[in-house]
Amino acid sequence: NAGVTQTPKFQVLKTGQSMTLQCAQDMNHNSMYWYRQDPGMGLRLIYYSASEGTTDKGEVPNGYNVSRLNKREFSLRLESAAPSQTSVYFCASSEGHGANVLTFGAGSRLTVL
Amino acid sequence: KNQVEQSPQSLIILEGKNCTLQCNYTVSPFSNLRWYKQDTGRGPVSLTIMTFSENTKSNGRYTATLDADTKQSSLHITASQLSDSASYICVVSFSGGYNKLIFGAGTRLAVHP
Repeated sequence: NAGVTQTPKFQVLKTGQSMTLQCAQDMNHNSMYWYRQDPGMGLRLIYYSASEGTTDKGEVPNGYNVSRLNKREFSLRLESAAPSQTSVYFCASSEGHGANVLTFGAGSRLTVL
Repeated sequence: KNQVEQSPQSLIILEGKNCTLQCNYTVSPFSNLRWYKQDTGRGPVSLTIMTFSENTKSNGRYTATLDADTKQSSLHITASQLSDSASYICVVSFSGGYNKLIFGAGTRLAVHP
């Protein structure tokens, strides 16, 4: 049981380049999330998908787009990367909302030069 | 403003000793409080989740307490092990929604032999 799988694990981009972070979960969870983690700060929600076919903005959505491809997969796209997007990105999933526990992926470290 | 503050920022203890990590929050309306453990280079893993009516919850050598009146929580680690070296993150949920989680910045614990 792999849980939540993210790719790539590391990526270096130049300012203005685009890329997509991939996330897949094998727990049949309904909800999926993308967070970013910056030094000295708590994780911040970028986008989430409450269920297949729906996506909504989180706290810091600017500069990002998402796609809930199917129940298993939720991708995060940076259309024109900026140095401020240098961060560690975590995908997570949960059965639903409220008291449900989040299961996180191992993270993707992105550096934008 | 909804905030979660953790103290100390970092802590060094010797193997076998106990320690207590603190979490203060100003989140309203409160739904639940979670503690996560994050090993270096990995995603956070859930330790406990506590609702308003729960004062104490244990998970092996980890015991979380919650005082909803003073809006404080603590995580007590008993008989620490080298594998306890990690960041411990306090997360408070308000309104129980998908996007209603406030993450603390974490306490980085180092257990030395």
